[in-house]
Amino acid sequence: DSGVTQTPKHLITATGQRVTLRCSPRSGDLSVYWYQQSLDQGLQFLIQYYNGEERAKGNILERFSAQQFPDLHSELNLSSLELGDSALYFCASSVDGGANTDTQYFGPGTRLTVL
Amino acid sequence: AQSVSQHNHHVILSEAASLELGCNYSYGGTVNLFWYVQYPGQHLQLLLKYFSGDPLVKGIKGFEAEFIKSKFSFNLRKPSVQWSDTAEYFCAVIPPYGNKLVFGAGTILRVKS
Repeated sequence: DSGVTQTPKHLITATGQRVTLRCSPRSGDLSVYWYQQSLDQGLQFLIQYYNGEERAKGNILERFSAQQFPDLHSELNLSSLELGDSALYFCASSVDGGANTDTQYFGPGTRLTVL
Repeated sequence: AQSVSQHNHHVILSEAASLELGCNYSYGGTVNLFWYVQYPGQHLQLLLKYFSGDPLVKGIKGFEAEFIKSKFSFNLRKPSVQWSDTAEYFCAVIPPYGNKLVFGAGTILRVKS
């Protein structure tokens, strides 16, 4: 157990809908990262938050957004869902996130299925 | 495009065989290197990491990796695999200019008992 928690574990929804994925980082970690794992794209970085502020952005679609709250938990919002958004969404956390020597610890993931 | 390459997508070994999984990256400058493992139905777990110092890094469960800077490589090894090592293995790099992880495509290892 990495200490990173994610809810829900599974999510099944329809095209056009909106969902929210939640992540709680390890105790003491200030940085949260979101990754998408799909069969065709592999594991891709989406976005990073550090202590409530966006720090880095990767291949995140405009239909997707995220935020980190004062208690450091983070939410990833996916809207106008398409079939291709079906994937495993991982959250990771690290102590700092400012140094590239920071180790990221991953949560169990949320499996999103869009029908 | 700069990337991380894992040489084999599927590897099948018998128990007690030796394992070597290749990983190459194309970033210049100082990078930080990781191997993660994903057991069936589970999340990514850190096997080992390299930031600096001794290029031979020892990780958990008997795994080790060697960083060869001249070859831009960070290959994972284990002298004798067990059935419980069946999993998907990901090489990942933090490039010099950021702190996001860039992953390879993964290698699925199946160990036959």
